[in-house]
Amino acid sequence: AQSVTQPDIHITVSEGASLELRCNYSYGATPYLFWYVQSPGQGLQLLLKYFSGDTLVQGIKGFEAEFKRSQSSFNLRKPSVHWSDAAEYFCAVGARNTGNQFYFGTGTSLTVIP
Amino acid sequence: DTGVSQDPRHKITKRGQNVTFRCDPISEHNRLYWYRQTLGQGPEFLTYFQNEAQLEKSRLLSDRFSAERPKGSFSTLEIQRTEQGDSATYLCASTQTESPDTQYFGPGTRLTVL
Repeated sequence: AQSVTQPDIHITVSEGASLELRCNYSYGATPYLFWYVQSPGQGLQLLLKYFSGDTLVQGIKGFEAEFKRSQSSFNLRKPSVHWSDAAEYFCAVGARNTGNQFYFGTGTSLTVIP
Repeated sequence: DTGVSQDPRHKITKRGQNVTFRCDPISEHNRLYWYRQTLGQGPEFLTYFQNEAQLEKSRLLSDRFSAERPKGSFSTLEIQRTEQGDSATYLCASTQTESPDTQYFGPGTRLTVL
């Protein structure tokens, strides 16, 4: 069965510190992987995506993620967090042969302290 | 590009009433998806359309739920005889069939059933 696990429900970091949000997936087909960010009252905004090729992908707002097939992981990183990064982050997996429906993790809530 | 829009943004209704939500996808997008998001959870897939054809429905979509996309453009999601458990945010997303499956999300409709 397809599933996405985000082990950290909530993370607090200081502004300027580095950040890593974890995502593990279980998927039978070749997955496409995504990270979305959701601010309160806002829709989901795509941060970055992985389809194939280079396993280190760059996204918007200084975020990057690394696909590790052997670990079934797609962790999101940022070297220096800004206060405006406080939001909910969702990892999602999809595949062309399943109608492209996405399976989302439960999300990680990020708090940034001054 | 005006993005995906949803209407209304908020809806409060009494148990047993019927409600209808509308989604307008990005104009050149052929596929349209509906998701449901409850508090503290990631979005869960409900159904999707390719043009006007409804291709897949989740088991979450009970008989009280119906979705349409009559002209292959906007879509409506109707919930009949609402129950308190239907309280959630209903998200719409769209994508181009030919592109590698990046979904663009609307802001959602938050439903509260009293």
